[in-house]
Amino acid sequence: EIVLTQSPGTLSLSPGERATLSCRASQSVSSNSLAWYQQKPGQAPRLLIYGASNRATGIPDRFSGSGSGTDFTLTISGLDPEDFAGYYCQQYGSSPLTFGGGTKVEIK
Amino acid sequence: EVQLVESGGGLVQPGMSLRLSCAASGFTFDDYAMHWVRQAPGKGLEWVSGIRWNSDKVAYADSVKGRFTISRDNAKDSLYLQMNSLKPEDTAFYYCVKTHVTGWCFDFWGQGTLVTVSS
Repeated sequence: EIVLTQSPGTLSLSPGERATLSCRASQSVSSNSLAWYQQKPGQAPRLLIYGASNRATGIPDRFSGSGSGTDFTLTISGLDPEDFAGYYCQQYGSSPLTFGGGTKVEIK
Repeated sequence: EVQLVESGGGLVQPGMSLRLSCAASGFTFDDYAMHWVRQAPGKGLEWVSGIRWNSDKVAYADSVKGRFTISRDNAKDSLYLQMNSLKPEDTAFYYCVKTHVTGWCFDFWGQGTLVTVSS
């Protein structure tokens, strides 16, 4: 099973600042099959990024994904007030599918 | 508009069974694999089970293998999760999710149904 470790656990930033979230895998993720989700309290998660670097439909271009192998990054270039939320990475290159433990982006 | 509507959650005692259903609409259901993902209150996401479009392949997390059974009825655009021998650690919101066209990540989620296992 591929274990995904997200860091930091909590990121305290101000609106307009840049957020950099990390997701590290215990072994290489096949075909860069890595996705990122955003979840707000009381809501279901929303797909942001698939294939490590592809934005899902309707996702603003301030969200970008990068990385390969075992190290992946989600960058939010200029936090909008609506971006303060939880973020999860997920690998889907091998079974079982696994999620990271999440990063909470909170208002400083 | 894609819609996934779960039902069947509730409060059950340990050892009992529950069947979750998911009604899908707004897309060609039998073109896509479907999955269940759960989230214990205040905790992270956990993949539970998935099924290919024609049911020829199913997969389960180790935590539910042998107790849960996923199935689908393409004629009814519906996904199911039969949960037997429920444990307190199965308490969670259960989400029905649709796979993305490129692979087993999830581009649409239902609103979730809460399963509480407690005596």
